[in-house]
Amino acid sequence: DAGITQSPRHKVTETGTPVTLRCHQTENHRYMYWYRQDPGHGLRLIHYSYGVKDTDKGEVSDGYSVSRSKTEDFLLTLESATSSQTSVYFCATLGDSQETQYFGPGTRLLVL
Amino acid sequence: KQEVTQIPAALSVPEGENLVLNCSFTDSAIYNLQWFRQDPGKGLTSLLLIQSSQREQTSGRLNASLDKSSGRSTLYIAASQPGDSATYLCAVISGNTPLVFGKGTRLSVIA
Repeated sequence: DAGITQSPRHKVTETGTPVTLRCHQTENHRYMYWYRQDPGHGLRLIHYSYGVKDTDKGEVSDGYSVSRSKTEDFLLTLESATSSQTSVYFCATLGDSQETQYFGPGTRLLVL
Repeated sequence: KQEVTQIPAALSVPEGENLVLNCSFTDSAIYNLQWFRQDPGKGLTSLLLIQSSQREQTSGRLNASLDKSSGRSTLYIAASQPGDSATYLCAVISGNTPLVFGKGTRLSVIA
């Protein structure tokens, strides 16, 4: 599982508050991704990173920002949480061989 | 824009049956295709990865095939067991774009 941890695993917050989710990996993988998973939509890419300080937007990036100051950490920030951002968030990594993608256990976020 | 479709959305079979899950993609210029398993409330576990130059991959009772020209892949599960019950997701990488996922097939194997 490429040693991927996500924190927190569960969070309840209120509309309008900032939220930061953390993804930590121990395999020194170059590529890191944030997805959200919602019923009827499957997994959708929010942002991804192809190296330290190198990030790009995915399919559903509005309302989200990311930062990667170290290889092992990839942070996802909801600047001002909305109810539409209630979801399960998954972090994933990919090594330089660009073969198997590994996923973290997920973070369940509820925005009230 | 790459789109991935999985049919059926849900499938229920009796234990011991052989079954096939289908995945189709719109852009045949893929780098590789992966099949994942997801148990309820859990993350995704990679089952099989097929490179664009390969036709199939096998792992135990699982066999995945790839037909790039027709934009299709199948996941064959032999002698299904209740422990195989999960959602199975197909995903493709095209060029430098990250994985694009299908919405999955939810499999129930009834003892």
